[in-house]
Amino acid sequence: DAEITQSPRHKITETGRQVTLACHQTWNHNNMFWYRQDLGHGLRLIHYSYGVQDTNKGEVSDGYSVSRSNTEDLPLTLESAASSQTSVYFCASSVASGNNNEQFFGPGTRLTVL
Amino acid sequence: AQSVTQPDIHITVSEGASLELRCNYSYGATPYLFWYVQSPGQGLQLLLKYFSGDTLVQGIKGFEAEFKRSQSSFNLRKPSVHWSDAAEYFCAVGSTSGTYKYIFGTGTRLKVLA
Repeated sequence: DAEITQSPRHKITETGRQVTLACHQTWNHNNMFWYRQDLGHGLRLIHYSYGVQDTNKGEVSDGYSVSRSNTEDLPLTLESAASSQTSVYFCASSVASGNNNEQFFGPGTRLTVL
Repeated sequence: AQSVTQPDIHITVSEGASLELRCNYSYGATPYLFWYVQSPGQGLQLLLKYFSGDTLVQGIKGFEAEFKRSQSSFNLRKPSVHWSDAAEYFCAVGSTSGTYKYIFGTGTRLKVLA
């Protein structure tokens, strides 16, 4: 069955370190998204991609970057982790086709920055 | 500005009671509308979606939602709640302009009393 996976599921890091969160999908979807989930804010879009070599900033992109070298993967990098980036991170994907923009979500990565 | 409002942060109902979770949106046109459920420690699962047509939408797990254009609402309902429905519920608005992005509400946490 097609799926979307995230790794690691839990990560503890220190302020100032570079961290990369992996997202891998086997749906063959062109669209991929990264969100962060914080209490009282719901899910907020960090970055998104519509295909290989395409990346775009979302509403909370400062301090984050992504790259898309193939269809399956969209890693999220925190260049210099800050305590404000402690959060749960979700990756999602969707097909790029007409009305069908249902997003499929991974299980999430809980990141703690000390 | 586009936005989604879920006015109830927490809702508690007794098992077997009916449930209605509210969702209001602000969008320039009729958007795509979604309800997702998140069980503790899990990713988001799609309950139902509205693209067009019949304004009463049936979803999984016995849930339904009604789109009311005049009220800019898309409330989620269930006639009889089960203990396993305890979770967090998110309403989302999807772009109809081909960008495939979502805007999420802040979520409603449902507690079910035995």
